Amino acid sequence: GQNIDQPTEMTATEGAIVQINCTYQTSGFNGLFWYQQHAGEAPTFLSYNVLDGLEEKGRFSSFLSRSKGYSYLLLKELQMKDSASYLCAVSPYGNNRLAFGKGNQVVVIP
Amino acid sequence: GAGVSQSPSNKVTEKGKDVELRCDPISGHTALYWYRQSLGQGLEFLIYFQGNSAPDKSGLPSDRFSAERTGGSVSTLTIQRTQQEDSAVYLCASSLASGGGSYNEQFFGPGTRLTVL
Repeated sequence: GQNIDQPTEMTATEGAIVQINCTYQTSGFNGLFWYQQHAGEAPTFLSYNVLDGLEEKGRFSSFLSRSKGYSYLLLKELQMKDSASYLCAVSPYGNNRLAFGKGNQVVVIP
Repeated sequence: GAGVSQSPSNKVTEKGKDVELRCDPISGHTALYWYRQSLGQGLEFLIYFQGNSAPDKSGLPSDRFSAERTGGSVSTLTIQRTQQEDSAVYLCASSLASGGGSYNEQFFGPGTRLTVL
């Protein structure tokens, strides 16, 4: 099975950089996803990592190390609208379901 | 374009009653998923439909839960004899078909908030 851990909450200042970590224990997976979820809304896709390394997409970057069972999401130039929960999920081999961590709540303050 | 829609957005029911939750996936998406999100918890996989294949029901928590997908499009999740622990947000997602191992982004609906009194 999958065991995905994320820290629960962090606070950061507008304009700052935050790193959200995700560690997992799984027998194998196709790729690792990051989703953003604002309170009361549906999760929306942010990034997908298959290979080890950094994927950059505007202000958001995601990193994966399969050997270390570790991923992180980097949010740069934080904006107030970035206040949300950030969910890490893996797509296990053999099926398309996603196994999610509990999410990390980021609160951006002025 | 139209995204995934779900209805109702909120449902309050009494313990022991049956409820039906509906999901309309994005047109052309052959894969449909149901998840639930309890307070302070991550999304928990419930069931997955892919085309005409038998659904993957391995995430359903008990036999009170069932789901069907008619005509390869709309899906209904049914919870019989609801219990208070069933209270959660039930999320539906859809994606394009995949051959397994390839990337297919899941698009989520807004969810149905179920409260069992």
